[in-house]
Amino acid sequence: KAGVTQTPRYLIKTRGQQVTLSCSPISGHRSVSWYQQTPGQGLQFLFEYFSETQRNKGNFPGRFSGRQFSNSRSEMNVSTLELGDSALYLCASSLEPGLTYNSPLHFGNGTRLTVT
Amino acid sequence: GQQVMQIPQYQHVQEGEDFTTYCNSSTTLSNIQWYKQRPGGHPVFLIQLVKSGEVKKQKRLTFQFGEAKKNSSLHITATQTTDVGTYFCAGRPGGGADGLTFGKGTHLIIQP
Repeated sequence: KAGVTQTPRYLIKTRGQQVTLSCSPISGHRSVSWYQQTPGQGLQFLFEYFSETQRNKGNFPGRFSGRQFSNSRSEMNVSTLELGDSALYLCASSLEPGLTYNSPLHFGNGTRLTVT
Repeated sequence: GQQVMQIPQYQHVQEGEDFTTYCNSSTTLSNIQWYKQRPGGHPVFLIQLVKSGEVKKQKRLTFQFGEAKKNSSLHITATQTTDVGTYFCAGRPGGGADGLTFGKGTHLIIQP
C-alpha cells in the first residue's frame, strides 16, 4: 500500500508570495492533518480534515488555509508568505479521527518550504 | 491554552544506558500516542495507550499511562545506536475539540 505522498518536496519562495502544498493520503484513509515543524517549536497542529470538512484548526493566522477533496486528497495554502513561515510542513493521514480512540497518524515525508 | 508538555528536551546517554522521556497534559487525555522521528525522517507511530495505569512493552521500550490519564512515560532499556531520534508524545487535551497535539519531543543522542 502506498504511503502518504506530499508534493513538492522542496519549495523556495519570496516574502509576500503564496504557496500551495499537496497531500495524497493512504488509500482508504479519510482523515488528513497538517503540521508545521520547526526546530524551535516542534510539531504544531495546523488543521484536521475529515470527509471534506475541517474538523479542527490550530492557532495559526488566517493566511494559512486548507481544504480536502472528495477523494480525501488535501491541499494547504499559505498566502502573503513571511520569513517565519520557513519550515517543514507535514501531512498525516489516518482512517478516521476519534474521541476515545485515535487512529494512528501516518506521516508523509513533508514539504520543506524556505521563504527568502 | 491546553498543552502537552514533554521533558527533557535533550538527553545524552552512553550506549547501553537507559533513557526515559516524560509527557504531561494540563487536562485528562482520552488516550496518548507515542511517535519516533529519526534524523531527516518523519514521525512514525509507535504505540497508543488508552486505559488508566496502562503499561505496554515493545522489546526494550516500556510505555506507561498515568492513573489520572494526564501523564505518560517512555522508557528504553539498554539503548542502542538505532534508538537515536526524537520521541514525541501526542494527545488531544481538549478532547475532540482539539487536533492531535504533540509535545515538543525529546531528542535522544547516544554516545558510543
